[in-house]
Amino acid sequence: EVQLVQSGAEVKKPGDSLKISCKGSGYSFSNYWIAWVRQMPGKGLEWMGTVYPGDSDTRYSPSLQGQVSISADKSISTAYLQWSSLKASDTAMYYCARPVSSGSLNDAFDIWGQGTLVTVSS
Amino acid sequence: DIQMTQSPSSLSASVGDRVTITCRPSQTISSYLNWYQQKPGKAPKLLIYAASNLPSGAPSRFSGSGSGTDFTLTISSLQPEDSATYFCQQSYSIPYTFGQGTKLEIK
Repeated sequence: EVQLVQSGAEVKKPGDSLKISCKGSGYSFSNYWIAWVRQMPGKGLEWMGTVYPGDSDTRYSPSLQGQVSISADKSISTAYLQWSSLKASDTAMYYCARPVSSGSLNDAFDIWGQGTLVTVSS
Repeated sequence: DIQMTQSPSSLSASVGDRVTITCRPSQTISSYLNWYQQKPGKAPKLLIYAASNLPSGAPSRFSGSGSGTDFTLTISSLQPEDSATYFCQQSYSIPYTFGQGTKLEIK
């Protein structure tokens, strides 16, 4: 079964660092982009950026560049989303997602992780 | 960024009704338009990709049409399990923006 399994919920304080993960299985992890999508409480979906595990090529939403870091370790089929200094406004559900076709950047997402809830509060 | 405008923002319909949701990008996106369904507490689920393609596992009552700057998601015969929020998304240019969502309620 093709699936993405994300790390568990996190509760952090403003200024803390954090790295959440997304582990792929059931397919060739290196050959598919992995995207991260944010959903703030009660709000819509926001594409944050994406990484190609095969060569670590990364693209970011211009509005989020510098705020987060996306990476992948193909040896353990895992992608990451990382913050160096969290803000209260980072409180959200974060999903990883895989596109329909291998190697395809301009594509829909047919496989989604279950989501990681990040709560940032003092 | 390409802005995606969905209409309506919410609607209420009865089982068996034909329902249409519209998505209009702020610039042309060819057929790089995808539709998702999201139920409370769940990850989004892909319904339509590349404007009109049904992924395996998606019910055949869902269909998509359009190109350029005008797209439509149609549910041919509404079922109780279709109560959800629906999002369009463009995958034409980064950042791959989503519409604001359409909340569909079953009467």
